[in-house]
Order: sequence, then C-alpha cells, then structure tokens
Amino acid sequence: QLLLQESGPGLVRPSETLSLTCTVSGDSISSNNYYWGWIRQPPGKGLEWIGSMHYGGSAYYNPSLRSRVTISADTSKNQFSLRLHSVTAADAAVYYCARDSIAVAAFDFWGQGTLVTVSS
Amino acid sequence: EIVLTQSPATLSLSPGERATLSCRATQSVSTFLAWSQQRPGQAPRLLIYDASKRATGIPPRFSGSGSGTDFTLTISSLEPEDFAVYYCHQRNNWPRLTFGGGTKVEIK
Repeated sequence: QLLLQESGPGLVRPSETLSLTCTVSGDSISSNNYYWGWIRQPPGKGLEWIGSMHYGGSAYYNPSLRSRVTISADTSKNQFSLRLHSVTAADAAVYYCARDSIAVAAFDFWGQGTLVTVSS
Repeated sequence: EIVLTQSPATLSLSPGERATLSCRATQSVSTFLAWSQQRPGQAPRLLIYDASKRATGIPPRFSGSGSGTDFTLTISSLEPEDFAVYYCHQRNNWPRLTFGGGTKVEIK
C-alpha cells in the first residue's frame, strides 16, 4: 500500500526557512516512472503547485516561487524534501506531497497534508 | 501561464442528480487535463486524467470529456460521498502546472 507522509515544523517564523519532508512507503522514489512533488493550499483557498523533482536530479518549480524553493531527495531513506526560504504570512498553508505519475501526467497519489503556520 | 477557470463556483444538487462541472483554459492544453476530488479535511484524489480516462478505482459514474480549452466533468448520479470540491489541473506546458479554482458540489 502506497503511503506518503509529510513531516516538519507546524510553525515557522517570518523570514525563516520552511522545511518539510515526505516519507514514501510502498514505492521507491528511485523509480523512473514518477516525479515527486509538493502542492500547497492556503486556508479556504485552492491548490498551488510548488514544484516536482525526479530522483535522477531534475527539479522543476513554479515560476512564482522558484527563487525561494528547493526540492531534493534522499533515496537512502526514500524521502524527498521541500525547503522554502524567507517565508511570509502568505506562505501559511496545508502542504501536500504527492506522487507525480509520468504515465498519467497527473498527481495520482497524495499525502494527507501538514499545516504550516507562519508567525512570530 | 495557463489559467484554468472552473464554473460554477458552487453547485447545489440533491443525491441522485446529475452534476456537470466545467473547466476552461486560457489556451489549449490538448488533453493534458485532469480532475481531482477533495472531500472536507482530506487530501485530493485523482479521478480523471488525460481529459477522459478514469483513474484506478474510480467508479463509472464519473466521466470526463473535452479537449483544447473546454472540459467537463460529469457525475451521472450523485452519491452522498460525492459532495466535495473538484479541481481541474493541467500540465500541457510542463513543467508549468496549474490548478483551477475549484467547484464545490454541495447538498441542496
């Protein structure tokens, strides 16, 4: 059974770095068939793609966030991570990690999400 | 950036009724259009990909159609668990992914 589980601090101070990890079980992030991505959802609002990465090293980001985002993988732990620098209140959201299937060209499996609040 | 506009914002229907949701793109996305369902407090679930193909385990009451700039998600007969928010999303100009603003299907 495929499971994706987000983890990380639920509270980040303004101007600091948001760091989240997605632990994948039931599949390998080293598969050529998938990218692995992050999507966020501000409270009461819609979904915003943050970025996706392939274990081989390629990563793609939303242009609006590119200057502040890094997504990377730790294949030994079957995890991938999100770092978002210089956060503001606008970055407060539920953050989801998801499997990004090349075959269906869509996010086909999502984690349950983790709420991140930005406050001093 | 390709903008996806979903309509209506809210659809009020009764169980057993047919739901028709629209998604319109500002430029052609071919058939690189997917639909996902998000129930309250839950993560999104993929329903339809490639505009009209049902994802694994999705019941046949869900169907998608369209190509280019106009797409439709149809739920033929609403079940209680179908009252949720539905998002369309595109990746025609990968790696620039965008989501629509969502349509909430609520109980009338």
